[in-house]
Amino acid sequence: DGGITQSPKYLFRKEGQNVTLSCEQNLNHDAMYWYRQDPGQGLRLIYYSQIVNDFQKGDIAEGYSVSREKKESFPLTVTSAQKNPTAFYLCASSIDGTALNEKLFFGSGTQLSVL
Amino acid sequence: GQQVMQIPQYQHVQEGEDFTTYCNSSTTLSNIQWYKQRPGGHPVFLIQLVKSGEVKKQKRLTFQFGEAKKNSSLHITATQTTDVGTYFCAGYTGTASKLTFGTGTRLQVTL
Repeated sequence: DGGITQSPKYLFRKEGQNVTLSCEQNLNHDAMYWYRQDPGQGLRLIYYSQIVNDFQKGDIAEGYSVSREKKESFPLTVTSAQKNPTAFYLCASSIDGTALNEKLFFGSGTQLSVL
Repeated sequence: GQQVMQIPQYQHVQEGEDFTTYCNSSTTLSNIQWYKQRPGGHPVFLIQLVKSGEVKKQKRLTFQFGEAKKNSSLHITATQTTDVGTYFCAGYTGTASKLTFGTGTRLQVTL
């Protein structure tokens, strides 16, 4: 089955702790994205990557970091600098990432909560 | 930066009633996409509109793209309980290869 897999489904973070959210895709897509979803605020872009070993900040990158060492994988680390990390995190991919008409395919999301 | 607002934020209808959500961008869009997110689920692509004034239909759903390419609407005729979810519009501008999502409209349908 082709698709995007996010893990874990639920994650809890303690104060001062870094946590990493996993995102893997087998769609052979070049571009991958991380969005944060808060109630009433829609989806806000954290980071995106159009090619391996390259990524760009989105609208709310502060307190987050990413890596893109493999085409299939785009993990997101929520650092202790992110003071309000509780949210639903969605990973997405698209075929190319440079055309202005690509639809996104989303994973099932990770709900992050602070203990 | 670019902002995309949707109204209403929430609507509750009885099954069989019609529903409309409106999407407004602060900047001109290259195109507009619509996604649906079921409760507890993830957004799923519905459709894309590209041309000014374009109208597309998918069964009971009608999508419109404004003449100025800054607004769009989604109209559902005779809602069903399967229409429950949050509907998001999203658009690309001519200068950025990243999609900006609207704030979403949550639809609740009761019998």
